[in-house]
Amino acid sequence: GEEVAQTPKHLVRGEGQKAKLYCAPIKGHSYVFWYQQVLKNEFKFLISFQNENVFDETGMPKERFSAKCLPNSPCSLEIQATKLEDSAVYFCASLPPGYTEAFFGQGTRLTVV
Amino acid sequence: GEDVEQSLFLSVREGDSSVINCTYTDSSSTYLYWYKQEPGAGLQLLTYIFSNMDMKQDQRLTVLLNKKDKHLSLRIADTQTGDSAIYFCAESKGQGGKLIFGQGTELSVKP
Repeated sequence: GEEVAQTPKHLVRGEGQKAKLYCAPIKGHSYVFWYQQVLKNEFKFLISFQNENVFDETGMPKERFSAKCLPNSPCSLEIQATKLEDSAVYFCASLPPGYTEAFFGQGTRLTVV
Repeated sequence: GEDVEQSLFLSVREGDSSVINCTYTDSSSTYLYWYKQEPGAGLQLLTYIFSNMDMKQDQRLTVLLNKKDKHLSLRIADTQTGDSAIYFCAESKGQGGKLIFGQGTELSVKP
């Protein structure tokens, strides 16, 4: 597709439950990024992939957060045992090889109650 | 270290020019970007500039880069009410590099 597709649009989880978010990058884009936006600002980089390989995971919390990009499947970001502070909008972006402009999805709003 | 700073709010009248400023600390930044975010939406790339450029113009948008002072600005000419949004400055170190964002500047355009 010609847009980065993120599902679901909204996700509500009770504290301690698991949350799984999905991202289908634009076809042909080799890089995928995950960002967390808390409140209206503060975009925080979490992790990036080059194809199915982790490219940069320096922003990923060491516990509870994991991510994958497997061939022929949407990429996923999973949060085990969610906490109230995980409430945020999670954005996925993809980037074609040889380019510098990343294309962002519409985000998944995670609310932990 | 990597840090990008922006002022949080800017209010202008319709038809005026808006100038949104950004400073960054990492001198090895290669690309600098301006993104726009409307309420409830994702990020829309407005423009970007390579670190070896001083200026880039694209229709109503002008980007100025002062590499010595690590200062980036976005000028929007003839600002319209549809330009009301949050504008994010970001930097990266190149192909595949993560984006480091500023806090965003909320632009309010009054009729």
